[in-house]
Amino acid sequence: GAVVSQHPSRVICKSGTSVKIECRSLDFQATTMFWYRQFPKQSLMLMATSNEGSKATYEQGVEKDKFLINHASLTLSTLTVTSAHPEDSSFYICSARVRDRTYEQYFGPGTRLTVT
Amino acid sequence: GQNIDQPTEMTATEGAIVQINCTYQTSGFNGLFWYQQHAGEAPTFLSYNVLDGLEEKGRFSSFLSRSKGYSYLLLKELQMKDSASYLCAVFKAAGNKLTFGGGTRVLVKP
Repeated sequence: GAVVSQHPSRVICKSGTSVKIECRSLDFQATTMFWYRQFPKQSLMLMATSNEGSKATYEQGVEKDKFLINHASLTLSTLTVTSAHPEDSSFYICSARVRDRTYEQYFGPGTRLTVT
Repeated sequence: GQNIDQPTEMTATEGAIVQINCTYQTSGFNGLFWYQQHAGEAPTFLSYNVLDGLEEKGRFSSFLSRSKGYSYLLLKELQMKDSASYLCAVFKAAGNKLTFGGGTRVLVKP
C-alpha cells in the first residue's frame, strides 16, 4: 500500500513553454501533498505544500506564479512549470501525506525535467 | 531557521559498518526521519525517531538524542546495493513539513 505515482517520469521541453506534472496517491487519500525540487548532488528542497481544496503554501523564494499548483482531489495534485527556462531543469518529486496520519509521507518516483 | 548537517560523502567496505551522523538546530522539532535515495530515484523511508534512544530494524539502526540535536544512522553488514545517498530530515508538526539535510553519499567498495 501507500503508493504515489508521478507522470511523466521524464520530460524535455523548449524554453518558454509550460509543463504539467501530475502526482497521484494510488491507494490512499492524501489531504496534503508536497512538491520538492532536487538539483544534481543536492538534497530535496521543499517548494510548496498543496492542500486539497485550498491554495498551496509556497516556501520563501519560490514564485507562485511560475510554479502553479492545483490539488483538485484527495488523490491528485499537479505542478505546472510556466514559461520554463533552462535553470528550471531539475528533478521534481512529490510526496503525499496519509490522511489523518500526521507524519506518514510517501514519495513519488520523481519527474526529470529538462528545458532546452 | 533550521540547520541540518551531515557529512557529504563516506566510503566503506562491503561487510563493514558505517555510521552517518546528523546534527540539527531547529525549533518545533517533532521527529527525525532517515531516507535512502538511489541516484535518479525518489527517497525511500528507512526510519522515524521521535523519542531518544536507538531503534533497530534489521541491518539498519537509527539513534536520536533530542537534547543534543543529534541523530545517527548505522548500517551494518554493508552490501554493494547500500551505495546510495542517505538523507536525514527533521519533521515539524506545524505545517507537517520535512526539512532535509544535504544528504550523505555512501560508496560501498568490494
